Amino acid sequence: ELKVEQNPLFLSMQEGKNYTIYCNYSTTSDRLYWYRQDPGKSLESLFVLLSNGAVKQEGRLMASLDTKARLSTLHITAAVHDLSATYFCAVDIPSGTYKYIFGTGTRLKVLA
Amino acid sequence: DTGVSQDPRHKITKRGQNVTFRCDPISEHNRLYWYRQTLGQGPEFLTYFQNEAQLEKSRLLSDRFSAERPKGSFSTLEIQRTEQGDSAMYLCASSPQGGKEGTDTQYFGPGTRLTVL
Repeated sequence: ELKVEQNPLFLSMQEGKNYTIYCNYSTTSDRLYWYRQDPGKSLESLFVLLSNGAVKQEGRLMASLDTKARLSTLHITAAVHDLSATYFCAVDIPSGTYKYIFGTGTRLKVLA
Repeated sequence: DTGVSQDPRHKITKRGQNVTFRCDPISEHNRLYWYRQTLGQGPEFLTYFQNEAQLEKSRLLSDRFSAERPKGSFSTLEIQRTEQGDSAMYLCASSPQGGKEGTDTQYFGPGTRLTVL
């Protein structure tokens, strides 16, 4: 059974600091997605990573994918309070349905 | 493009009652998914439609749950004889087949939060 694990589960950091969230998955997949969720809200797509070595950047967030290691990272540079949210990675199952298996989520709190 | 919409946004019901949720996907998206999210957890897959055909159901979807997408556009999720354990956020997502860059990015609706008393 495919498992997707994130760490850390909780992250409290000061504004201006850098940090990395890790996403490990247990089966072969070339496609990984990162989403952001604010409390009580739905999921907002952040990044789509389609191949080994893919790197995407948007503002203070950068995501990368290593399919050989089955690892994706979400790097936060010079965090600001507005980045406080829960971040999920998801892997899709290329079995015809392309359903997502989500990670456990990382709850990020950026302290002013 | 107005995005994925869901109705109602919140539903409070008593145990044993039936509830029905509606999802309107992004127009021309032929793939539609339902997920369930409980507090502090990631969304869990419930079921998948391609056009009007329901092609996969999770083991999470007990006999009390039924989903339809009669004309390949909107979808409904019905829960019969609700239980307190059904309390969760029910999320709908849609995606185009063979989307941009060959991705299957799913776009999520705002969700329906169900509370069973």
